[in-house]
Amino acid sequence: GQSLEQPSEVTAVEGAIVQINCTYQTSGFYGLSWYQQHDGGAPTFLSYNALDGLEETGRFSSFLSRSDSYGYLLLQELQMKDSASYFCAVRDQYGGATNKLIFGTGTLLAVQP
Amino acid sequence: DVKVTQSSRYLVKRTGEKVFLECVQDMDHENMFWYRQDPGLGLRLIYFSYDVKMKEKGDIPEGYSVSREKKERFSLILESASTNQTSMYLCASSPSTQPYSPLHFGNGTRLTVT
Repeated sequence: GQSLEQPSEVTAVEGAIVQINCTYQTSGFYGLSWYQQHDGGAPTFLSYNALDGLEETGRFSSFLSRSDSYGYLLLQELQMKDSASYFCAVRDQYGGATNKLIFGTGTLLAVQP
Repeated sequence: DVKVTQSSRYLVKRTGEKVFLECVQDMDHENMFWYRQDPGLGLRLIYFSYDVKMKEKGDIPEGYSVSREKKERFSLILESASTNQTSMYLCASSPSTQPYSPLHFGNGTRLTVT
């Protein structure tokens, strides 16, 4: 079957660094994405990793290890506005007519002052 | 900016009613998706469409159908609403089927079936 596992909740303080892990098991693999969703809002795209290694975008970085079927989202210099749910997602097929993005169950990040 | 608009933010329907959820995107995207979001279950794909009049079943299509008569509009239909379809419904679009192509989501429709 296909599954993505993330911790359900993470708590951290302002200014700290937090890592949200994601392990996946899918029939195909064409990249790991991360989405952020504030309470009551739409999920928004954060990052995409196709190859092993770390991708950095400002305070956020995303890491992928395809051999371990594992990735993480790293948030640095946490701010209160980073309090949100974070979803990892895997594309299980390359292009073509079937183009499914499979989401994890989400990690609720609470940033405390 | 891409705008994905869902017609209703909140909807309350009775069991057995036929329900239409509408979604419109303004960026000429080929692909459109309907997801359902429930606590502890994440986002689950109901149906998607990669072209006008084309559709593919997602992971949980039972009890739902879709319609895509125009490129910008993708409708989700609950043929006979049931209480277990009470959920948040999210529509999304993306410009291509390439793996790096991100999804752009609407703000969701919270449907309650009583």
